[in-house]
Amino acid sequence: SQTIHQWPATLVQPVGSPLSLECTVEGTSNPNLYWYRQAAGRGLQLLFYSVGIGQISSEVPQNLSASRPQDRQFILSSKKLLLSDSGFYLCAWTQRNTEAFFGQGTRLTVV
Amino acid sequence: DAKTTQPNSMESNEEEPVHLPCNHSTISGTDYIHWYRQLPSQGPEYVIHGLTSNVNNRMASLAIAEDRKSSTLILHRATLRDAAVYYCILSSHGSSNTGKLIFGQGTTLQVKP
Repeated sequence: SQTIHQWPATLVQPVGSPLSLECTVEGTSNPNLYWYRQAAGRGLQLLFYSVGIGQISSEVPQNLSASRPQDRQFILSSKKLLLSDSGFYLCAWTQRNTEAFFGQGTRLTVV
Repeated sequence: DAKTTQPNSMESNEEEPVHLPCNHSTISGTDYIHWYRQLPSQGPEYVIHGLTSNVNNRMASLAIAEDRKSSTLILHRATLRDAAVYYCILSSHGSSNTGKLIFGQGTTLQVKP
């Protein structure tokens, strides 16, 4: 069966520190991969999506970047965190015309 | 990206049916209609999706208007565990094949015992 792993579950980082969140998918090949962010009390904002290795599309300009070094691995990074980067980060995957599966999320607090 | 419009909140009584509406007047021919729900501090959970015909699964039913400009998610017997934010989303599966899901604000469903 397909599963999605996302870690860590919670993270507290100081302003100006780097960030690396990793997401891996099992049980499928060539998935579409997504990173979302949800600020407190708000809806989900699509940050990045990828339809293949090395192919990254950014939805909004921001302090973050994404990479897909392997077919089932999606990484969200930042060189220097801002207070506004705090939020609930979710990784997701889909195959064409099917449902999306979401990870359990990482709650990031920048202090 | 085509947008959807949903009521901000709805209330239901336990064990009664719930009809959650969604308007998507700018839907294109390749857009699928997806519904997800999100409980606090959790990732969204898939509920149902469809293209043109009504769909049924173990969780819910999806009724799609003939012109596809609106749809309704039907929970046949609401339980307290159905209290969540419900998102109606259009996902394009055209030539770009991104299948990306753009979330709106959703409908917060409250279920009263």
